[in-house]
Amino acid sequence: QVQLQESGPGLVKPSETLSLTCTVSGRSVTTYYWSWIRQPAGKGLECIGRINSSGGINYNPSLKSRVTMSVDTSKNQFSLNLISVTAADTAVYYCVGAYNWFDPWGQGTLVTVSS
Amino acid sequence: EIVLTQSPATLSLSPGERATLSCRASQSVSSYLAWYQQKPGQAPRLLIHDASNRATGIPARFSGSGSGTDFTLTISSLEPEDFAVYYCQQRSNWFTFGGGTKLEIK
Repeated sequence: QVQLQESGPGLVKPSETLSLTCTVSGRSVTTYYWSWIRQPAGKGLECIGRINSSGGINYNPSLKSRVTMSVDTSKNQFSLNLISVTAADTAVYYCVGAYNWFDPWGQGTLVTVSS
Repeated sequence: EIVLTQSPATLSLSPGERATLSCRASQSVSSYLAWYQQKPGQAPRLLIHDASNRATGIPARFSGSGSGTDFTLTISSLEPEDFAVYYCQQRSNWFTFGGGTKLEIK
């Protein structure tokens, strides 16, 4: 059974960088695609980007200038960096398996942008 | 960007009733559409992919239909655990989600 677990700071200051890591168990990160999806409180879902270990990366056009994703095969993890954050980036961030559809999902981690 | 519009925004039904949820795309997505269920405090769960294929472990009371721009998720007989928010999502052009339909107990 594939399981994903997000980790990272729950509070980030405005203009700083949001950094999250997803640890994958039950499957090698080299054999799949992976995504980050976020959900502001009470709102809908937004795909931030999708990556595989071969270097294939696609970012949401609306976030492309601020996003970097990477894969660490030695730790079976993938990561998200989002620079120059504002209050609008406050959301629950999910790491997700993303071959053709989004499955499975991590439990999500709340990141609040506030000074 | 392909916009997905879900209707109704809220659907009030009783257990045992049939639920019909709609998702309309701003342009054709072929059959590249999925449905997810999200309960409060939980991550979404994949129900249906490629418009009509149930994901692993999803009960047979859930079914999907449609192609092109108009899609439907049907729950044949509502169980208490089915009351949740449902999202559609397309992968024809990037990945976008609909705004969701809240299925609540009447």
